[in-house]
Amino acid sequence: DGGITQSPKYLFRKEGQNVTLSCEQNLNHDAMYWYRQDPGQGLRLIYYSQIVNDFQKGDIAEGYSVSREKKESFPLTVTSAQKNPTAFYLCASSSGTRNSPLHFGNGTRLTVT
Amino acid sequence: DAKTTQPNSMESNEEEPVHLPCNHSTISGTDYIHWYRQLPSQGPEYVIHGLTSNVNNRMASLAIAEDRKSSTLILHRATLRDAAVYYCILLRGSNYKLTFGKGTLLTVNP
Repeated sequence: DGGITQSPKYLFRKEGQNVTLSCEQNLNHDAMYWYRQDPGQGLRLIYYSQIVNDFQKGDIAEGYSVSREKKESFPLTVTSAQKNPTAFYLCASSSGTRNSPLHFGNGTRLTVT
Repeated sequence: DAKTTQPNSMESNEEEPVHLPCNHSTISGTDYIHWYRQLPSQGPEYVIHGLTSNVNNRMASLAIAEDRKSSTLILHRATLRDAAVYYCILLRGSNYKLTFGKGTLLTVNP
């Protein structure tokens, strides 16, 4: 079945360490997205990519980095510069057209202590 | 950014219809209206989308105002499994920057 896979589901890190969250899709989608969600809050856009080898900052990109070397992969690195990294991270993809739905992964819950 | 406004929360009783509103007064002529819902600790899932005409699928119906400045997601008979946060967003072909608001938390009472 086609879909988006985020791994791992839970991730624990010590403060000061960089950590990379994986996002893979086999839907042949051009566009991919990373969102952050804090308890009781909506989704906030971190980065998005319209096509391979291109990506743009979202609303809260500081302390994060991404790469898009392959169409199916859009990993997110949470760097030590991110002040409050503990959150639920969601990856999504779409074909990029207005009338096609977004597909979301099931998220990675990152805890930094 | 194409902005939408939704009530923070709504409550319904099981097996009754639910009407979830969304305002999008800055919608442009080619924006599609999409609805997603999110269960606790899961990623959002697609519910329905439309452009101008009302739409129906197995999950819900979408009623779009004639001026397209608002829409309503209709769950015909709410079940406990429909308790979730519902998001309304606009998809604009030229703009890949998709932003979500806080959505509407729907509580379904047994």
